[in-house]
Amino acid sequence: DIQMTQSPSAMSASVGDRVTITCRASQAISNYLAWFQQKPGKVPKRLIYSASSLQSGVPSRFSGSGSGTEFTLTISSLQPEDFATYYCLQHNSYPRTFGQGTKVEIK
Amino acid sequence: EVQLVESGGGLVQPGGSLRLSCAASGFTFSDHYMDWVRQAPGKGLEWVGRARNKAGSYTTEYAASVKGRFTISRDDSKNSLYLQMNSLKTEDTAVYYCACISPFDYWGQGTLVTVSS
Repeated sequence: DIQMTQSPSAMSASVGDRVTITCRASQAISNYLAWFQQKPGKVPKRLIYSASSLQSGVPSRFSGSGSGTEFTLTISSLQPEDFATYYCLQHNSYPRTFGQGTKVEIK
Repeated sequence: EVQLVESGGGLVQPGGSLRLSCAASGFTFSDHYMDWVRQAPGKGLEWVGRARNKAGSYTTEYAASVKGRFTISRDDSKNSLYLQMNSLKTEDTAVYYCACISPFDYWGQGTLVTVSS
């Protein structure tokens, strides 16, 4: 199975900060990676698909990059509504696997 | 409007069985692969499994943690997805989401399964 390792597991940031979250795959997955945002008590919401394509309706401050084994999600200027937990998901092979999550908290 | 509505969750004893259902509407259910994803209380997301469509021969895939105990099925005539869970363990306690995450981003609100004596 492909293991997805996210870093950091949690972070504190201020409104306006640039935030970068990393996801590493235990083997190459090309660009078969998605990023999800989940707020407390809510269902996950996909932000990025195919590693770098922005989901329709998602603000342009979110961006994704990477290929192979290393991927990043960047929030260019953190907004109050962005405080949430973020997960990566590999869909290169079965079983699909999520990263363990990165909780972005208010500093 | 797309809707995925799960049902069937509840309290079950370890070793017991439960069947979850997911009723889909607002999109062409039969055209798409469907997934179950779960989330234990206070924990992260875990992919449980997938049911392919007719073009995919209705085949299924499972996470190692549930393989041999859980069975995913679908009934396209009823726009419904199912998750039969047998030999339940306490670690199966979670909110179970029905989802269509390829190519869409459709999720149900989830149904809570609690495995406890």
